[in-house]
Amino acid sequence: DAKTTQPNSMESNEEEPVHLPCNHSTISGTDYIHWYRQLPSQGPEYVIHGLTSNVNNRMASLAIAEDRKSSTLILHRATLRDAAVYYCILRDVWGNTDKLIFGTGTRLQVFP
Amino acid sequence: KAGVTQTPRYLIKTRGQQVTLSCSPISGHRSVSWYQQTPGQGLQFLFEYFSETQRNKGNFPGRFSGRQFSNSRSEMNVSTLELGDSALYLCASSGRDRGRRTDTQYFGPGTRLTVL
Repeated sequence: DAKTTQPNSMESNEEEPVHLPCNHSTISGTDYIHWYRQLPSQGPEYVIHGLTSNVNNRMASLAIAEDRKSSTLILHRATLRDAAVYYCILRDVWGNTDKLIFGTGTRLQVFP
Repeated sequence: KAGVTQTPRYLIKTRGQQVTLSCSPISGHRSVSWYQQTPGQGLQFLFEYFSETQRNKGNFPGRFSGRQFSNSRSEMNVSTLELGDSALYLCASSGRDRGRRTDTQYFGPGTRLTVL
């Protein structure tokens, strides 16, 4: 299974943009890049995913490098509710499994 | 749509006992996965069921087992509990969402198991 590398922690002030990086240098051509986050005392929740092109949804944006060896999750205006652990996960689109392999993730702290 | 539900939410057991945890997936979802979360090991995949068949299994001892019923509800069982089994056990269900090309996993709130 392809691995991802993320910083252990990041900090942001409320209403500022946050860029959460993820390195995945061994990504294969059929791997989708998924992001999940886990708020305190909750199960993980889906944030966004992409393959090659940048993606936007109501929660965040995902910027994918041209060589796909790295990606960045962008929270345009951080709120206190965005304080969570963010996980970057690779999923093979052709894999016959829904298994997710979680790394250590990035713990995001948001200050008022 | 109701989310993934897990019961019980909290459980205290003693070493050597066994425990059964239950998970009800989102209506229409046929895939259910289980994960163990501990401070030391993080989130680790236990097993995955699809249409009552185990489709994938993580690296856990045979004391950990699971099953899925015809209505997609799932249970996991841990026999001969050890102190190290204290953890948050998370269940996730998935199904193809409209417009998405890969299945999204929806997690329940988890069952907090404490082994004394």
